[in-house]
Amino acid sequence: DGGITQSPKYLFRKEGQNVTLSCEQNLNHDAMYWYRQDPGQGLRLIYYSQIVNDFQKGDIAEGYSVSREKKESFPLTVTSAQKNPTAFYLCATGPGGASGELFFGEGSRLTVL
Amino acid sequence: SQQGEEDPQALSIQEGENATMNCSYKTSINNLQWYRQNSGRGLVHLILIRSNEREKHSGRLRVTLDTSKKSSSLLITASRAADTASYFCATDFKAAGNKLTFGGGTRVLVKP
Repeated sequence: DGGITQSPKYLFRKEGQNVTLSCEQNLNHDAMYWYRQDPGQGLRLIYYSQIVNDFQKGDIAEGYSVSREKKESFPLTVTSAQKNPTAFYLCATGPGGASGELFFGEGSRLTVL
Repeated sequence: SQQGEEDPQALSIQEGENATMNCSYKTSINNLQWYRQNSGRGLVHLILIRSNEREKHSGRLRVTLDTSKKSSSLLITASRAADTASYFCATDFKAAGNKLTFGGGTRVLVKP
């Protein structure tokens, strides 16, 4: 079944721990994105990648890191440097190139205890 | 931030009524998109309108774009309880490359 798979769906973290959120896609899309959503708010761009082995910072990259070693995968690490990490994290993909629609995963909810 | 801003923030209507929400933005765009999000879920793309288009339809959805006013509207006609969701506009700013900037959303409640 084609699509985007985010895991885990729910994650709890103690302060000071790094956590990695997984995003895998089989849509053969070049571009992948990570967004953060806080309660009742819109989406803010953390990082994006338009091609394998390349990625750029979004609007709120501090405290996060990513890698893009494979076209299908774009994991996001929330580091201990992120001061307020509790949020809903959404991964999205797109064909890249000329702007077009994005396809979203079902999200990962991170709670810091 | 060059976010689009939706108005109203929340909307409550009866089933069968129309729902209208607006999006304003600040700088020139390549296109504007509308997305829907059910509570706790990912976003789903609804419609894309390019900067040289003024109106698009998709089923019960009608989107307009006024580039002179830097605004767009989304109309849902004959709403159903299943339309209850948050609706977001997303803009592809010409200066921003291939990335979208999302507004804060309009939360729509359709009462049966």
